[in-house]
Amino acid sequence: QQPVQSPQAVILREGEDAVINCSSSKALYSVHWYRQKHGEAPVFLMILLKGGEQKGHDKISASFNEKKQQSSLYLTASQLSYSGTYFCGTSTSNTGKLIFGQGTTLQVKP
Amino acid sequence: GAVVSQHPSRVICKSGTSVKIECRSLDFQATTMFWYRQFPKQSLMLMATSNEGSKATYEQGVEKDKFLINHASLTLSTLTVTSAHPEDSSFYICSVAGGGTDTQYFGPGTRLTVL
Repeated sequence: QQPVQSPQAVILREGEDAVINCSSSKALYSVHWYRQKHGEAPVFLMILLKGGEQKGHDKISASFNEKKQQSSLYLTASQLSYSGTYFCGTSTSNTGKLIFGQGTTLQVKP
Repeated sequence: GAVVSQHPSRVICKSGTSVKIECRSLDFQATTMFWYRQFPKQSLMLMATSNEGSKATYEQGVEKDKFLINHASLTLSTLTVTSAHPEDSSFYICSVAGGGTDTQYFGPGTRLTVL
């Protein structure tokens, strides 16, 4: 079953923060976050595994609440290059098979 | 991360013809590759899991006789859209999993337009 992302879209000014959420109705093994720019393939951001972890690099971080089957992606001090559509992909086992959410479109304005 | 290539990047064909799309893992051997389809402004929909040396596993609702997948080597998987119709027009993307992690790395995608 497809995970649900919220919000569907967000518009920011450069330097502002954003949070994108991903919820599943199933017990999750891992959550993967990707960013896709128009006409291009998704680019891997990070993976969070079962066990409730947090990860981050630079100004992008994420958390995974295993009990709630939710993950959140945090974008701080956003830059113009952050614009794009963010997808979470969830897996319920270690098969590697991912089901993607509907996406969240982020637009960062100067 | 893994480097994945796809060929062609763009193809236009007439209705009724077949189109083959190649997906190559350039820097490591991939036992598993995935094929996705993405319609404009929509999410990535998993079509099938391609396993080297065995039959692909198709998702519910995906016609295996229409979308033929062959994973003959650890670096190459192909998707053939047979008897393509305009409704098959889409962005087809492959991904490679492995290298010791569950991470999937995507190819650049193939834009198929069926006239």
